[in-house]
Amino acid sequence: DTEVTQTPKHLVMGMTNKKSLKCEQHMGHRAMYWYKQKAKKPPELMFVYSYEKLSINESVPSRFSPECPNSSLLNLHLHALQPEDSALYLCASSQGGYGGSPLHFGNGTRLTVT
Amino acid sequence: SQQGEEDPQALSIQEGENATMNCSYKTSINNLQWYRQNSGRGLVHLILIRSNEREKHSGRLRVTLDTSKKSSSLLITASRAADTASYFCATDPGFYSGGGADGLTFGKGTHLIIQP
Repeated sequence: DTEVTQTPKHLVMGMTNKKSLKCEQHMGHRAMYWYKQKAKKPPELMFVYSYEKLSINESVPSRFSPECPNSSLLNLHLHALQPEDSALYLCASSQGGYGGSPLHFGNGTRLTVT
Repeated sequence: SQQGEEDPQALSIQEGENATMNCSYKTSINNLQWYRQNSGRGLVHLILIRSNEREKHSGRLRVTLDTSKKSSSLLITASRAADTASYFCATDPGFYSGGGADGLTFGKGTHLIIQP
């Protein structure tokens, strides 16, 4: 079990659907992240929130829309996705700040776009 | 973009043997971290080594860092079947990119199989 909770675990959606992925942590971490991971590939950074503000957007298409309602929650809103967006979406959190700190990952949402 | 390159991409050894994985990176870093991922699950942090450190130990894990060669290695001693997983190095630009929460850049990973 991890201290970062992601829901749902699995999601199947059509290309015209709108859905949201949710992530929650209660470790008091001030930085939260979305990563995308394709099969047999490393995780790729999508977004970073630091103190509830979007600090990094790695040129992600606008069909992915992140939201950080408060310091414990992170959402990823999905709209008009393509089949190639099928992947494992991982949320992580860290203490953030200078000096660096480990990332704590959730177990991910397995997304299939049909 | 890829920062780290792990070597080898796959490694199969007998239980009880030592496993060594290497990682090379390209840009300056604040720290380098190693993670383990079991199939289809989230990543688990193993060890963090800062740019001013050369070696770090944690249980059966030993990590080295050579910033002049931009490389790191992870040694797992006395391997167990439960160590079967993918191992990733990840670089943190930290201070060099302005500090704060920058996110990690992961290497391609080494898939380790421990034969019982």
